[in-house]
This record gives sequence, structure tokens and C-alpha cells, in this order.
Amino acid sequence: EAGVVQSPRYKIIEKKQPVAFWCNPISGHNTLYWYRQNLGQGPELLIRYENEEAVDDSQLPKDRFSAERLKGVDSTLKIQPAELGDSAVYLCASSDDSSGYTFGSGTRLTVV
Amino acid sequence: DAKTTQPPSMDCAEGRAANLPCNHSTISGNEYVYWYRQIHSQGPQYIIHGLKNNETNEMASLIITEDRKSSTLILPHATLRDTAVYYCIVRAGGRSGGSNYKLTFGKGTLLTVNP
Repeated sequence: EAGVVQSPRYKIIEKKQPVAFWCNPISGHNTLYWYRQNLGQGPELLIRYENEEAVDDSQLPKDRFSAERLKGVDSTLKIQPAELGDSAVYLCASSDDSSGYTFGSGTRLTVV
Repeated sequence: DAKTTQPPSMDCAEGRAANLPCNHSTISGNEYVYWYRQIHSQGPQYIIHGLKNNETNEMASLIITEDRKSSTLILPHATLRDTAVYYCIVRAGGRSGGSNYKLTFGKGTLLTVNP
């Protein structure tokens, strides 16, 4: 099993540019999460999906962040425009009722 | 979810047991104690969880005090590969947690295993 796959692994962009991250969860996992991890901190939840429905996006900065999970499988997280403070690791995770959480390796974003 | 307190860092000699403490004095009766770890440049990895009984699996043992206000994660024979940040998390529900499965991470404990 491939686990949770994220791409790209690293991304460097200039401020005010858009950026997108992609996540492929474990097959059959109906719940998908996006977390953000700042340097020296633990991950913080941005958004949680149950199938294709966003059921908790209270921590997602909606002025510049957006996410989608079409067909309830892959998901994309977008930032437009990016700011210097968005530099962080963006983690995707998936779960189902029997197997619990599995995280991907994350995308390290650097905004310059 | 209840708040947890962990030491920021610990050292352990290779081959010795690593005992990582966690305080969760405000834990509720329906809240479980979870442990995850994060090796450098990887996502967090589930280790073990428990409600009130001690638990053991192939990775570690979890000792929860009788009053449930603190717990200890034990790595019986630490190796260099166990160097990581270890997170203690308290939340309601079992491993699956159903539709409210949110993990609230603190800063964790950086465990360094030395040769």
C-alpha cells in the first residue's frame, strides 16, 4: 500500500503568487484532513472532509485559502495569493473508521 | 479536548529504555490518551493509545496512572531511529473516532537517542 501521497515535496514561490498542493489518500479512506505545521510547532488542522463534503473548515483562512475534494478521493489545497507567513509544512492525512489516521510526508512551502 | 504538558526535550542512550512523560490533569472520563511521533521531514506516525488500562504493542508501552492525570510512553530498547518529536494527545473517542476525529497537537518532546 502506497500510503498517503502528497506532491510536490518542496515548493518555493514569491509572495503574492498562487500555489497548490495535491493529496492522494489511502484507498477507501472516506475522511481527509489538511494540517499546517509551522517551524517548531505541532500540526494544526485546516480542514476536514467526509467524502467530498468539508465538515470542518473553521481554521481555514478563507480569504486566501481554498480546498476541494472532487469525487471524494484526491484533494487540492490552494493559496492565492501567498504571503510570507504561509511558509510551513502542509500535511495531508486520511482515515476510516477501522484504521485510524495516516499522514503523508507533507509539502514544505517557502514563500520569499 | 484536554490540554497536555510534555517536557520539550529528553535524551536517551541507545539500547536503553526511553520513558516519555505526559501530564493531562484535566482529562475527561471519555477521553483517550494517544501518542504519535514525527521523525524529521516525515508526517506524524501513530504509536499507541489507551483509555485507562496499560497498553502494549510492537512499538511501545503506555502506562496510564490510576487517576488518569498522567501517562508515560515507554520505548523499551531505544534505537537511533527512534530520535523524533513525540506528541501526547488527549481526545474523545477510540482510534477511529468517527466524524469528530480531530487531533490537537502541542509542541511535543524531542527525544534524542545517543549512540
